[in-house]
Amino acid sequence: DTGVSQNPRHKITKRGQNVTFRCDPISEHNRLYWYRQTLGQGPEFLTYFQNEAQLEKSRLLSDRFSAERPKGSFSTLEIQRTEQGDSAMYLCASSLILEGALPGANVLTFGAGSRLTVL
Amino acid sequence: GDSVTQMEGPVTLSEEAFLTINCTYTATGYPSLFWYVQYPGEGLQLLLKATKADDKGSNKGFEATYRKETTSFHLEKGSVQVSDSAVYFCALSRGYSTLTFGKGTMLLVSP
Repeated sequence: DTGVSQNPRHKITKRGQNVTFRCDPISEHNRLYWYRQTLGQGPEFLTYFQNEAQLEKSRLLSDRFSAERPKGSFSTLEIQRTEQGDSAMYLCASSLILEGALPGANVLTFGAGSRLTVL
Repeated sequence: GDSVTQMEGPVTLSEEAFLTINCTYTATGYPSLFWYVQYPGEGLQLLLKATKADDKGSNKGFEATYRKETTSFHLEKGSVQVSDSAVYFCALSRGYSTLTFGKGTMLLVSP
C-alpha cells in the first residue's frame, strides 16, 4: 500500500486553459474526497464519493469544476477555463467507512496534493 | 455552520520547551475532534483524535482533551523537538460527514 497518490504534483497553466488532476486512493478505501487549500488557510471541502457515487458537493465547486470516480477506484478533478483564483493546492483523501462504524471512525488519509498555478 | 478557530502562528519555540496550540470550535451536536499535522512537502497526517466529551487523544507525546464546556481541543506537548516543526490543523466532523478545518498553526522549533 503506497498511500494516496496524486498527479501531477505541480501544474502551471495559463488562464482559460483546462486542467485535470488524478487521485489514486488507498485501494481498500471506499470514500474519496477532494479539498482545496490556499496559502495560509486550512483545507476546504469540495466534494466526496462513496465508491462511484458523488454524494456531496460544496458551494465552492462551481460549474467549471467536475469530479469523477468512474469505477470507484481512482478519481479525476477537472477545472475548465481556469482563472487566477483557482490557484491553490488540490488535496485528495480517502477513507474506509464500514456499516455500523462509530462517529469519528472516518479517518482521512491525505495525498501530498497537486499544486495549481494559473498565470 | 461548523467552524474551527486556531491560534495564529508561527509559534516559535526552543527545543524541549512546552507547547500549547489553542483550538476552539463551533458546531451543533457532538462533533468528533481531530488534530492533523502537515510536514513540509507531505500530505496531512492524522496526529490524534477524540470522539466524545472528556476524551483525551494522544500520540507521539502530543495530547489534546475534548472539552465540551469550553468547546476546546487544545494541543499540548511537554517537550518539543526540532522534528516537530510543521503546520498543525485542528478539525471537526459530525457523524460521518466531511472534515471542517481551522486555518492551521505553524510551529517552528529551534535547536
